[in-house]
Amino acid sequence: KAGVTQTPRYLIKTRGQQVTLSCSPISGHRSVSWYQQTPGQGLQFLFEYFSETQRNKGNFPGRFSGRQFSNSRSEMNVSTLELGDSALYLCASSLAMGQGETQYFGPGTRLLVL
Amino acid sequence: TQLLEQSPQFLSIQEGENLTVYCNSSSVFSSLQWYRQEPGEGPVLLVTVVTGGEVKKLKRLTFQFGDARKDSSLHITAAQPGDTGLYLCAGNFGNEKLTFGTGTRLTIIP
Repeated sequence: KAGVTQTPRYLIKTRGQQVTLSCSPISGHRSVSWYQQTPGQGLQFLFEYFSETQRNKGNFPGRFSGRQFSNSRSEMNVSTLELGDSALYLCASSLAMGQGETQYFGPGTRLLVL
Repeated sequence: TQLLEQSPQFLSIQEGENLTVYCNSSSVFSSLQWYRQEPGEGPVLLVTVVTGGEVKKLKRLTFQFGDARKDSSLHITAAQPGDTGLYLCAGNFGNEKLTFGTGTRLTIIP
């Protein structure tokens, strides 16, 4: 079974631009979560989607948004990019929501904002 | 806001030595997970602990959950270069979001 895939793997943008990242979960997984990883803040939860609905949200500004499609694939969008948005963005999928569900992470998209 | 503190932040030891890394919180976990992340990859789940005092072993790795469910430790016996990576603990505090620790970057020197 293929793992979680994320595209693109690397991305360079300039301040003020917007970016869309894509995540394809493991086949059969219906929950997708997004995380931001930086050296200073570590891994921080952005949001979780299940059945095309956002179920949980972390403490990030409204510039960060996402969506999930009927095939469980998910995208996240960051508008008006800032230098501080440079990070590794990780997507994780699980069969369902809930504390007992194991999350499987993709390799991430490394975003550099200049 | 629940915080997970991991220590040490960095650890570099010789192959064959033993080591322990720690994960601490001021809040009670409902469950705790340990992950290892290698460069260019996402974190990979190693273990989930749920019961206070629980000990789990995974080959040379021993995971312990504190009796009060506020802390956890990971002990590696006879470390090997393949153990090199970023070790992350992550806790559930009664909701569905995982809160990740600050991480321990481990380097095993051949």
